[in-house]
Amino acid sequence: GENVEQHPSTLSVQEGDSAVIKCTYSDSASNYFPWYKQELGKRPQLIIDIRSNVGEKKDQRIAVTLNKTAKHFSLHITETQPEDSAVYFCGLSGNQFYFGTGTSLTVIP
Amino acid sequence: KAGVTQTPRYLIKTRGQQVTLSCSPISGHRSVSWYQQTPGQGLQFLFEYFSETQRNKGNFPGRFSGRQFSNSRSEMNVSTLELGDSALYLCASSQDYRGLGYEQYFGPGTRLTVT
Repeated sequence: GENVEQHPSTLSVQEGDSAVIKCTYSDSASNYFPWYKQELGKRPQLIIDIRSNVGEKKDQRIAVTLNKTAKHFSLHITETQPEDSAVYFCGLSGNQFYFGTGTSLTVIP
Repeated sequence: KAGVTQTPRYLIKTRGQQVTLSCSPISGHRSVSWYQQTPGQGLQFLFEYFSETQRNKGNFPGRFSGRQFSNSRSEMNVSTLELGDSALYLCASSQDYRGLGYEQYFGPGTRLTVT
């Protein structure tokens, strides 16, 4: 099956700083790359996604970049705020949906 | 549209018992996937159903099974429960993702505790 590696597993940043989470994958047939945010006690929710024919996508303070050649994609959060504190999962799909192991982000006020 | 619903929300069972969890997808969604979530293990894929057929299965023992009904509602069953089965079980529905990539909408989960 697909091997999705997500790093780092934990990340602490000061409020206002940027946070970057990276996922690498092995299946070149993967064509859809979403990022989910899961707040404590809540369900995962999609925050941004990108398809394989696009290299970058931005939505306000959140951006995702995709490097198909190197088989990795990253989530970038700028000007972090305390409410960004959560667990973030990368996902990808080809024949099956796979998730990374999650990154616990803590934004320190 | 109503979101994905799961019942029950909480469940306490004893080792050796069996349990059935239910998931109602968003109206119009035909794909339903099940995940097991435990601390430090992320989201482990159990299986996916589409139009009443299991399309994909993760690496879980045969004690874990599921089915989907004609109205797309899905159930998963765990037989002969073990302590290690204690987890949050999430289902997610989508229009379809195989090869096309659609957002998965998650339900609130069922918290299963095995004692």
